[in-house]
Amino acid sequence: DQQVKQNSPSLSVQEGRISILNCDYTNSMFDYFLWYKKYPAEGPTFLISISSIKDKNEDGRFTVFLNKSAKHLSLHIVPSQPGDSAVYFCAASAREYGNKLVFGAGTILRVKS
Amino acid sequence: NAGVTQTPKFRILKIGQSMTLQCTQDMNHNYMYWYRQDPGMGLKLIYYSVGAGITDKGEVPNGYNVSRSTTEDFPLRLELAAPSQTSVYFCASNPSGDNQPQHFGDGTRLSIL
Repeated sequence: DQQVKQNSPSLSVQEGRISILNCDYTNSMFDYFLWYKKYPAEGPTFLISISSIKDKNEDGRFTVFLNKSAKHLSLHIVPSQPGDSAVYFCAASAREYGNKLVFGAGTILRVKS
Repeated sequence: NAGVTQTPKFRILKIGQSMTLQCTQDMNHNYMYWYRQDPGMGLKLIYYSVGAGITDKGEVPNGYNVSRSTTEDFPLRLELAAPSQTSVYFCASNPSGDNQPQHFGDGTRLSIL
């Protein structure tokens, strides 16, 4: 039973445009959400996070939006750059479950120059 | 700082062999984790530790063992390698479990033939 779903296996975007990566979750107990970025042959790198008490968090070109009623979060990258090409993982945790991370399957982002 | 270091980077095992995947971190983090990532899937938690001498099972612990004798080291042991354990293994750490991003190593790619 996948509790965190990234339904788009891949996304292709032109350099300079906006990239929007989506993530859905089923467990209403999740209270902390993260996005990780992963390049080939490297480990995931933390990108941005959001607590369930917020609906938006911004860090430079990266913004995460959380819609708790829809159990949906999204990552916006503006403007997209070729170096953003990577696999992006959405992850969620719940204090009640010891804050262990549950990961989505990832979305491959390709930014074309 | 080196962060989280995993060795080896690659390994091929025969069915039934055993091996230990090494993980060490130099950030004095209390919490450490082992994940596996299968193709097209998200990371799944194998085991985790909240401090030296304390370990607990994650989502997919069967076929693996761990120990945590020091804060720095968290080795993962495969006793009887099976083809189903072919995967990429990631070790991670964070200061404590509470809403803090995990820092990942670069992974060990393990093939069992």
